[in-house]
Amino acid sequence: DAKTTQPPSMDCAEGRAANLPCNHSTISGNEYVYWYRQIHSQGPQYIIHGLKNNETNEMASLIITEDRKSSTLILPHATLRDTAVYYCIVRVAWETSGSRLTFGEGTQLTVNP
Amino acid sequence: DTGVSQDPRHKITKRGQNVTFRCDPISEHNRLYWYRQTLGQGPEFLTYFQNEAQLEKSRLLSDRFSAERPKGSFSTLEIQRTEQGDSAMYLCASSLPGLPLHFGNGTRLTVT
Repeated sequence: DAKTTQPPSMDCAEGRAANLPCNHSTISGNEYVYWYRQIHSQGPQYIIHGLKNNETNEMASLIITEDRKSSTLILPHATLRDTAVYYCIVRVAWETSGSRLTFGEGTQLTVNP
Repeated sequence: DTGVSQDPRHKITKRGQNVTFRCDPISEHNRLYWYRQTLGQGPEFLTYFQNEAQLEKSRLLSDRFSAERPKGSFSTLEIQRTEQGDSAMYLCASSLPGLPLHFGNGTRLTVT
């Protein structure tokens, strides 16, 4: 699985958009970008994933650059409950390789009142 | 959907003792995973089951560690002769093929 690079920490004001970047310059054509988050003392929670098109769900939007070497997770209106460590993971589709995930150290997002 | 359940939430044990953790996956999820997480680090993969078959084990899973999923439903992770380095959060996750993993809230092990 390709390696990812994320900033170790970010701050965001409550109610504003939180934009979390991820670099994955060695991504392969069959690898997806997945985002998980982990709130303190809880297990990781799936947020969203995509291959090359932008994706949106009820939690967030995922913007993938045209060359697929980087992506941004957008939380449109951050709340205090969004304070968590956000992990960007690049891997092949779920059906192959037993679906294991390789987590990095992620970005600690702190939403401030 | 009651989520992935792990028991106990916390376990304190003395070095050299054996411990066992239980994971109840989301019903009908045939894939089950164990991960370990130490402070400040992301979770690390330990092992993976599809139904009752253990299909993959990480090199992190030393011979003191054993995982089972006897009937393809709940799973247990046993650590024998615990060491202080085993202190960590042990996370369980489950999934259906082709769908994202759902994690439990983990068992925090402290070895004194």
